Amino acid sequence: EPEVTQTPSHQVTQMGQEVILRCVPISNHLYFYWYRQILGQKVEFLVSFYNNEISEKSEIFDDQFSVERPDGSNFTLKIRSTKLEDSAMYFCASSEQGGNSPLHFGNGTRLTVT
Amino acid sequence: AQSVSQHNHHVILSEAASLELGCNYSYGGTVNLFWYVQYPGQHLQLLLKYFSGDPLVKGIKGFEAEFIKSKFSFNLRKPSVQWSDTAEYFCAVNAVWGTDKLIFGTGTRLQVFP
Repeated sequence: EPEVTQTPSHQVTQMGQEVILRCVPISNHLYFYWYRQILGQKVEFLVSFYNNEISEKSEIFDDQFSVERPDGSNFTLKIRSTKLEDSAMYFCASSEQGGNSPLHFGNGTRLTVT
Repeated sequence: AQSVSQHNHHVILSEAASLELGCNYSYGGTVNLFWYVQYPGQHLQLLLKYFSGDPLVKGIKGFEAEFIKSKFSFNLRKPSVQWSDTAEYFCAVNAVWGTDKLIFGTGTRLQVFP
């Protein structure tokens, strides 16, 4: 069964540094998402992406965050200047038809900001 | 705003016991409902979904859930759990119109002892 793959599985960075989290969605999917889960808290929506643009974003997704689909297969999340509170598990997901089809999640990237 | 409540944070059962995990949501419009499972060290996987039609939906691994619209509930059930069902279970909702972001509950950790 096709999978969403995320790299790296664990990223440690210092506060103020930029990080890029990478995802390869399932190849025939058109909708892409990032979610995050701070330890002990809910899985939270960050952003959805369709047709090469952001279709929806949460209040968490401020100017420090950006997403990109640079080459037609990768889908990246960039955090420009990381803060301690950005430490979380970041999940990439993709779906065929947006909200009316299930999301397929990757294994996640654990981001630790020190 | 939409929200999802999972009342059981941690459930401990013996093998062969029956399981019911509660999920309630708040949203006045039409919703799609999901249960996702996360086995230790793995990604979120779809257990089952409700979009429309029969409110009793059957998923993988013997799980089922019932949508009761009047109670805004979508409880997950399994008549006889196995040790391999040990995992974290997440209820999620998305509104049918206007957005495709998933709103997750806080999750329920299920531990099944042989």
